[in-house]
Amino acid sequence: KAGVTQTPRYLIKTRGQQVTLSCSPISGHRSVSWYQQTPGQGLQFLFEYFSETQRNKGNFPGRFSGRQFSNSRSEMNVSTLELGDSALYLCASSPVGQGATEQFFGPGTRLTVL
Amino acid sequence: TQLLEQSPQFLSIQEGENLTVYCNSSSVFSSLQWYRQEPGEGPVLLVTVVTGGEVKKLKRLTFQFGDARKDSSLHITAAQPGDTGLYLCADFKAAGNKLTFGGGTRVLVKP
Repeated sequence: KAGVTQTPRYLIKTRGQQVTLSCSPISGHRSVSWYQQTPGQGLQFLFEYFSETQRNKGNFPGRFSGRQFSNSRSEMNVSTLELGDSALYLCASSPVGQGATEQFFGPGTRLTVL
Repeated sequence: TQLLEQSPQFLSIQEGENLTVYCNSSSVFSSLQWYRQEPGEGPVLLVTVVTGGEVKKLKRLTFQFGDARKDSSLHITAAQPGDTGLYLCADFKAAGNKLTFGGGTRVLVKP
């Protein structure tokens, strides 16, 4: 099975712009979660989508949003970028179901905000 | 809000030496997981432990879960350069399909 893919892998934006990141989960996985990783705050949960619905949300401002499509692919959007949004954004997929405890991570999108 | 603290933050050792990293939680773990993340990659799950006092072994890696389910350790025997990476502990909550991560321990094994 192919793993989780994220595009693009690297992105440079300037303050005030917006950005959209994409994630394709492992085939058959219906849950997609997003995490932000920074040197200062570590890995923090952004949100989780299942069957095109956001089920869970972390403690991030409304500038961070996402969506999931019927094929389980997901996008996250950050509007009005700030310098502090520079981070590695990781997407993880999981099969969801009784006993499922593992999330499979993609390689991430490294976003640099200038 | 659950806080996971990992120590040390950074560890540099020679090949063949042993090392131990620690993870402490401010509250009881739902399900403790250890991940390793290599540069340019996402975290990869090493182990999941659920029962207090549980010990799991994965080749040269030994994972211990505290009796009170609030702390854990990861011990690597005879470390190799391939063990280099960021080791992360996390609490997995099935209800929200959500991971809460510790800050990580960066391990460097020099040949």
